[in-house]
Amino acid sequence: QKEVEQDPGPLSVPEGAIVSLNCTYSNSAFQYFMWYRQYSRKGPELLMYTYSSGNKEDGRFTAQVDKSSKYISLFIRDSQPSDSATYLCAMSALNSGYALNFGKGTSLLVTP
Amino acid sequence: SQTIHQWPATLVQPVGSPLSLECTVEGTSNPNLYWYRQAAGRGLQLLFYSVGIGQISSEVPQNLSASRPQDRQFILSSKKLLLSDSGFYLCAWSVPDRGRTEAFFGQGTRLTVV
Repeated sequence: QKEVEQDPGPLSVPEGAIVSLNCTYSNSAFQYFMWYRQYSRKGPELLMYTYSSGNKEDGRFTAQVDKSSKYISLFIRDSQPSDSATYLCAMSALNSGYALNFGKGTSLLVTP
Repeated sequence: SQTIHQWPATLVQPVGSPLSLECTVEGTSNPNLYWYRQAAGRGLQLLFYSVGIGQISSEVPQNLSASRPQDRQFILSSKKLLLSDSGFYLCAWSVPDRGRTEAFFGQGTRLTVV
């Protein structure tokens, strides 16, 4: 079992829809959780960073962490065509070193 | 603000040729530096990381090596490229604090070995 699982999609939604992106993980030691957005042929861009459980909101983006279920989510409200990209989740454990454990990414297409 | 520069953006190299990819970071001191490789459908794989000048840790045995000759410079090299070295190579940095693990990426180098 891979440590981080993420549905690759593709996920296609109409403009204005609420998008839900998810990752599950198996390592209960993970405490730091990140979401990255990656446009085609570009480097990943950090969107959200959360520590431990709970919610964090930044504009149209909300990140949720449920450590009891080993499940994290990224919600995008009022989705825009410019949100079309691949979304990568990443996580790491306290004092585990420097490697981030990435999901393979979910491809999102927001259609006008 | 901090910026990361990575070049070249694309590279086509023949099998057996050498490789040198360079990455520099501005606006921060003593960053942790990373080289990742992203293969299609396989996610990001950490290749090397460095916590200081001359300090390199390898995560995966392979045909590649890394060096950090200056505080904010990280170089990925190979003496002889293999077809399997093709991929999207990403340099990244993070703050020098083990409590902060989020990484910031460069724009990547797409390497095609022919």
